[in-house]
Amino acid sequence: GAVVSQHPSWVICKSGTSVKIECRSLDFQATTMFWYRQFPKQSLMLMATSNEGSKATYEQGVEKDKFLINHASLTLSTLTVTSAHPEDSSFYICSATRLGEGTDTQYFGPGTRLTVL
Amino acid sequence: AQSVTQLGSHVSVSEGALVLLRCNYSSSVPPYLFWYVQYPNQGLQLLLKYTTGATLVKGINGFEAEFKKSETSFHLTKPSAHMSDAAEYFCAVSDDFGNEKLTFGTGTRLTIIP
Repeated sequence: GAVVSQHPSWVICKSGTSVKIECRSLDFQATTMFWYRQFPKQSLMLMATSNEGSKATYEQGVEKDKFLINHASLTLSTLTVTSAHPEDSSFYICSATRLGEGTDTQYFGPGTRLTVL
Repeated sequence: AQSVTQLGSHVSVSEGALVLLRCNYSSSVPPYLFWYVQYPNQGLQLLLKYTTGATLVKGINGFEAEFKKSETSFHLTKPSAHMSDAAEYFCAVSDDFGNEKLTFGTGTRLTIIP
């Protein structure tokens, strides 16, 4: 159990368009979901933390108006990259903590590769 | 602020040999420490974690890690490497005040030589 999926797994878009990435906990209810960004040969950088029904908490330096996060249910969080530019190209990974479990364990999705042309 | 350093972005070992992946951390408070593994096109999977108690932690797939406070280290080991161990390994830290936020190292790619 504790499977997290992401859709799409990869996406290519034109500069100036918006892209939505979905993160779903398939077999559990998630108390908290996290969004990370990973550059090539670099570590995962936390972008934001979200709880169902609440506004996301963004890390310092992350533009909340550019990276819109919606956490509408206990199993779904979405990240929308608005007016994407080539510098937004990256690997985006989500994770979730499971309701009823300690908050020190996160279950990760497989990631979404975004390429902005 | 916390930080994690993984020495060696790429480690190669022969099948059957000892695997040693290094991780050092800095934290102003007693940390929680984690090792995650990422196989190609898959999400990160928790190998093991240290929160409190015994400093030698055993994880899945025969891996273990030892928390050494004096050395601020949490190195990952496995006595005998298998081909299936080839993957990317990430060390991570969070503080122990119930903070869910993880700070990751840059990862180590493990290659197994037949």
